[in-house]
Amino acid sequence: QVQLQESGPGLVKPSETLSLTCTVSGYSISGGYYWGWIRQPPGKGLEFIATIHHSGDTYYHPSLRGRVSISMDTSKNHFSLNLSSVTAADTAIYYCARYDISLPFQYWGQGILVTVSS
Amino acid sequence: EIVLTQSPGTLSLSPGERATLSCRASQSVSSRYLAWYQQKPGQAPRVLIYGASTRATGIPDRFSGSGSGTDFTLTISRLEPEDFVVYFCQQYGSPPRTFGQGTKLEIK
Repeated sequence: QVQLQESGPGLVKPSETLSLTCTVSGYSISGGYYWGWIRQPPGKGLEFIATIHHSGDTYYHPSLRGRVSISMDTSKNHFSLNLSSVTAADTAIYYCARYDISLPFQYWGQGILVTVSS
Repeated sequence: EIVLTQSPGTLSLSPGERATLSCRASQSVSSRYLAWYQQKPGQAPRVLIYGASTRATGIPDRFSGSGSGTDFTLTISRLEPEDFVVYFCQQYGSPPRTFGQGTKLEIK
């Protein structure tokens, strides 16, 4: 059974960089699929952020390009998100997920709340 | 980017009733790549329906999806108490993948 677990700081200061890691168990991330990040401001809707393919190809939400990067470490079986120059608008629950190109987000982590505040 | 608009924002019904949730896209969703998710408080969303009408593994048959092009519907035939949560639609046919703003199902 595939399981994903987000980790990282729960509080980030404005203008700093938010860094999160998603550790995967039950499946090797180099074996296939797409691995992505989605966020949800408290009480609001969901927004796709970024994705990385097992081949290393990446895609970013156009509104976040320039601030966001995604990478993977196959030796640790995890992938990571960096979001720079954060503001209060980046406060959200951040989820990592696995999916295939012709399917929705099938497996999700439990989510991690990141608050941007001084 | 494809904008998805869900209606109504909140739906008030009683257990045993039928629920009809709508999702309208700003442009045609290719290959019917439209999914519905259910989100319970404090949990990640889980897929109910994908490909507009295919139930995900383990999803009860009281949940059904229909539609194509720009108009999609999630129907819950007989509401159970645990169904009164939030539902999102999502298109995955055109990048970036986008979600609707959600419909909250509340007990009347």
